[in-house]
Amino acid sequence: KQEVTQIPAALSVPEGENLVLNCSFTDSAIYNLQWFRQDPGKGLTSLLLIQSSQREQTSGRLNASLDKSSGRSTLYIAASQPGDSATYLCAVCARDDKIIFGKGTRLHILP
Amino acid sequence: EAGVAQSPRYKIIEKRQSVAFWCNPISGHATLYWYQQILGQGPKLLIQFQNNGVVDDSQLPKDRFSAERLKGVDSTLKIQPAKLEDSAVYLCASSWDRDYGYTFGSGTRLTVV
Repeated sequence: KQEVTQIPAALSVPEGENLVLNCSFTDSAIYNLQWFRQDPGKGLTSLLLIQSSQREQTSGRLNASLDKSSGRSTLYIAASQPGDSATYLCAVCARDDKIIFGKGTRLHILP
Repeated sequence: EAGVAQSPRYKIIEKRQSVAFWCNPISGHATLYWYQQILGQGPKLLIQFQNNGVVDDSQLPKDRFSAERLKGVDSTLKIQPAKLEDSAVYLCASSWDRDYGYTFGSGTRLTVV
């Protein structure tokens, strides 16, 4: 059974710092992995989608990497801003099209 | 393109009452998902539709939850009767093809008192 773990559960960093969020999954037979952002009381906003054949994806200040063999993905945020404060969720799409989420990392950027 | 539409945004009901949520996916998206997100947890899949057929409803509490997707477009999720532990955000998502990822709606926050 696929399990997705996100560490840390919460993180506070000063504005301007670069930071890394981690996501691990137990079954490497995935189709893709997607990172989402969730603001309080809101739905999920897609940030980056990485196919199983890809190693990384970039969008602006965000870079997501995928190491399928070790069951890990990281989301790198460069030059963090207060507006980056949110919960970040990673979701794994397994071969049977089931999407399994981690519990998320609550990020707080200190002005 | 228009996003995934959900209504209502908020709902407060008493336990044992019934409630229904509505979702309209992105036009052309064949796959539709309903997720339940309890505070502090990641979303949990309740049911997955492919067009108007059910692909996976293994985690749907069928004694009280039901969902339908008529004509393969919009969908409704119903809870009857509601319990206190049903308090959560109910998220709808749709996808054209898994290669393109998934788009989520804003969710419906349900509070059962």
